[in-house]
Amino acid sequence: KNEVEQSPQNLTAQEEEFITINCSYSVGISALHWLQQHPGGGIVSLFMLSSGKKKHGRLIATINIQEKHSSLHITASHPRDSAVYICAFGSQGNLIFGKGTKLSVKP
Amino acid sequence: DVKVTQSSRYLVKRTGEKVFLECVQDMDHENMFWYRQDPGLGLRLIYFSYDVKMKEKGDIPEGYSVSREKKERFSLILESASTNQTSMYLCASSPSTDYGYTFGSGTRLTVV
Repeated sequence: KNEVEQSPQNLTAQEEEFITINCSYSVGISALHWLQQHPGGGIVSLFMLSSGKKKHGRLIATINIQEKHSSLHITASHPRDSAVYICAFGSQGNLIFGKGTKLSVKP
Repeated sequence: DVKVTQSSRYLVKRTGEKVFLECVQDMDHENMFWYRQDPGLGLRLIYFSYDVKMKEKGDIPEGYSVSREKKERFSLILESASTNQTSMYLCASSPSTDYGYTFGSGTRLTVV
């Protein structure tokens, strides 16, 4: 049973395109995390949010608690945004992860 | 900034060897985690620890053990490495689940 579903699994975009990655989850949560993993493996925490919207530079994360859905948006995408984006939520002391969305941004 | 340091980026070991993966964090975080990441399966929790000398099994603990003798250090041990343990291993720490996580750079382990 997948408690976290991400879509799409793979996404190819042209530079400057507006990108949306979606995350749906099946249980009540207190906070949802968005993570970024570049080739090479290191994972960076982008956002942790429990309601509304957060913005950091060209990245925007939104969450709708009632609909159990979150989105990560990238405005004016750039090839350096190419990475795997992972959503996750906390449960019983640890994180439950989605399988990730692999984003490739072409120049 | 919190830093989580994993001792090796790449490691090649032979089947049957005992393997130690070390993880150190420098911000006095209570919780530490070991995950493995495989294509198509995403990140899966092996073990986590919420305090010194405390450990909890995650989703896939078989073939692994852990040690947390000091708050800043969480070690993952492969008692007898097997080829199906070839994977990317990621360590993380957090002050609690209501706060953000910090991940190490990962160790890509190959068992031959």
